[in-house]
Amino acid sequence: GQQVQQSPASLVLQEGENAELQCNFSSTATQLQWFYQRPGGSLVSLLYNPSGTKHTGRLTSTTVTKERRSSLHISSSQITDSGTYFCAMERAGYQNFYFGKGTSLTVIP
Amino acid sequence: EAAVTQSPRNKVTVTGGNVTLSCRQTNSHNYMYWYRQDTGHGLRLIHYSYGAGNLQIGDVPDGYKATRTTQEDFFLLLELASPSQTSLYFCASSDDWGGSYEQYFGPGTRLTVL
Repeated sequence: GQQVQQSPASLVLQEGENAELQCNFSSTATQLQWFYQRPGGSLVSLLYNPSGTKHTGRLTSTTVTKERRSSLHISSSQITDSGTYFCAMERAGYQNFYFGKGTSLTVIP
Repeated sequence: EAAVTQSPRNKVTVTGGNVTLSCRQTNSHNYMYWYRQDTGHGLRLIHYSYGAGNLQIGDVPDGYKATRTTQEDFFLLLELASPSQTSLYFCASSDDWGGSYEQYFGPGTRLTVL
């Protein structure tokens, strides 16, 4: 079954609005990362956050391990934030990576 | 700057054909990964390696072989390609296991199996 569920599947915001992306996982995660895929297809790692809250630039991730969920908050969204955001987790006891299906974010002027 | 390159960028083959996808990283990273990306599935880990000669099985290994010939080079082999293997393939590298280390991705190879 699907290990990682992301919501919403897609999101449209006006420039300057904040975005909240959710990630829920079906088993205990020992590692949790957020990734970003540009509209052209290139992929980058954004944040590693297995627990607690982490910030980088306009991104804030909060992971509550025992509730099996993580969120990614993007403040003051910009047009260049458009793309697809993935969370990925490693299950406890497995050295393997499971990605969600992603949230497609579109930021309009 | 970390660099991961893939070749070819696009490949079309027929069912039953033999395909090799190549990946090279110049980051001196220990770990390398092969993923496939399909619409509606996100990325799925096929194989990974933590050094030359090492190979580990990922989440969807069936129908794929892989070989890590050097620290820099990781190959994905499809010996009897099937239409279900039509996908976008990404290679990535990281200094240590990618669960807690930043992964650097290549540009992707689009494979079509007719």
